[in-house]
Amino acid sequence: DQQVKQNSPSLSVQEGRISILNCDYTNSMFDYFLWYKKYPAEGPTFLISISSIKDKNEDGRFTVFLNKSAKHLSLHIVPSQPGDSAVYFCAATEGLRGNKLVFGAGTILRVKS
Amino acid sequence: NAGVMQNPRHLVRRRGQEARLRCSPMKGHSHVYWYRQLPEEGLKFMVYLQKENIIDESGMPKERFSAEFPKEGPSILRIQQVVRGDSAAYFCASSPGINEKLFFGSGTQLSVL
Repeated sequence: DQQVKQNSPSLSVQEGRISILNCDYTNSMFDYFLWYKKYPAEGPTFLISISSIKDKNEDGRFTVFLNKSAKHLSLHIVPSQPGDSAVYFCAATEGLRGNKLVFGAGTILRVKS
Repeated sequence: NAGVMQNPRHLVRRRGQEARLRCSPMKGHSHVYWYRQLPEEGLKFMVYLQKENIIDESGMPKERFSAEFPKEGPSILRIQQVVRGDSAAYFCASSPGINEKLFFGSGTQLSVL
């Protein structure tokens, strides 16, 4: 059973435009959500997170939106840059479970210059 | 400050052999996590250890897999009598505390022939 789903395997965006990566979850007990970025031959690196008590968190070019009623979150990158080309993983956890994260399958983002 | 170090980067084993994957956490981190990524899937939690103790092994297969994090030395993920289905990327992560940010290593790619 996939508790965290990223339904778009890949996304292609022009440099300077907005990239929107989507993620859906099924477990209503999840209360903390994270996005990780992964380059080939490297481990995932933390990008941005959001607690379930918020609906938006912003960090520079990256904004994460959470819609709890729809069990949906999205990552917006604006403006997109070629260096943003990577695999993006959505992850979720229940607060008291520490770092036992449940990951989606990832979305490959390609930013064309 | 060196990041999370995993070795080897690539490991090839024949069916029935043993695989040993090593992980040295970041300096000052006493919490270690192992995740596995099968092809076309997201990372899946395997085990969480804190120095000399297994805290949560709910993601570990019941047979053939074991993990340790001794007082001295790296954390070891051991897979006995490997099968083709064990072929995957194994990522180690560490954190300074239970609910603090995870830092991932570059992973070990295990290939079982």
